[in-house]
Amino acid sequence: AQSVTQLDSQVPVFEEAPVELRCNYSSSVSVYLFWYVQYPNQGLQLLLKYLSGSTLVKGINGFEAEFNKSQTSFHLRKPSVHISDTAEYFCAVSHTGGFKTIFGAGTRLFVKA
Amino acid sequence: KAGVTQTPRYLIKTRGQQVTLSCSPISGHRSVSWYQQTPGQGLQFLFEYFSETQRNKGNFPGRFSGRQFSNSRSEMNVSTLELGDSALYLCASSADRRNTEAFFGQGTRLTVV
Repeated sequence: AQSVTQLDSQVPVFEEAPVELRCNYSSSVSVYLFWYVQYPNQGLQLLLKYLSGSTLVKGINGFEAEFNKSQTSFHLRKPSVHISDTAEYFCAVSHTGGFKTIFGAGTRLFVKA
Repeated sequence: KAGVTQTPRYLIKTRGQQVTLSCSPISGHRSVSWYQQTPGQGLQFLFEYFSETQRNKGNFPGRFSGRQFSNSRSEMNVSTLELGDSALYLCASSADRRNTEAFFGQGTRLTVV
């Protein structure tokens, strides 16, 4: 069975500062990894995904993430955040032969002016 | 291309009643997944359908059921509603069998009183 741990429930950061949202996963099989963003009263939007290949994945809105198999991590980074990045971010994992995606508890990113 | 459409957006029901929620996936998508989102439990997987077949089910009581029609539209039903069923119910559709990219609807906010 897979599981996902998002290590920070809330991350406050000043505008234009860099940010890292941490995600660790647990799985005994090959996985796909995802980051989603959710704005208030909205569904989830895919930011980026790792399926295979290059371990550095670039997504929308200037976000990127690095898959580290040895540390079973998939941390999300952005070099300079904007007020509009304030939202909840979810890390998710599914195993490559399965049909179920497991989500982490979410990290609330709060960008301050 | 239209996105994932969930209806209704908001619903208020009384304990003991039943409710049916609807999800229309993106045209051409054959996989539909359902999730329950609550502040305390986060995003919990309910079930996933592909071409009218339920391929996976989460750990929810039998009061939660679903189905998928030949046009890929899906419904989920909750019978004998409890206060704890109050949540945002999210539907996601995917084009491929392995759900390598899920597109979410805006959700149905169910309140049980």
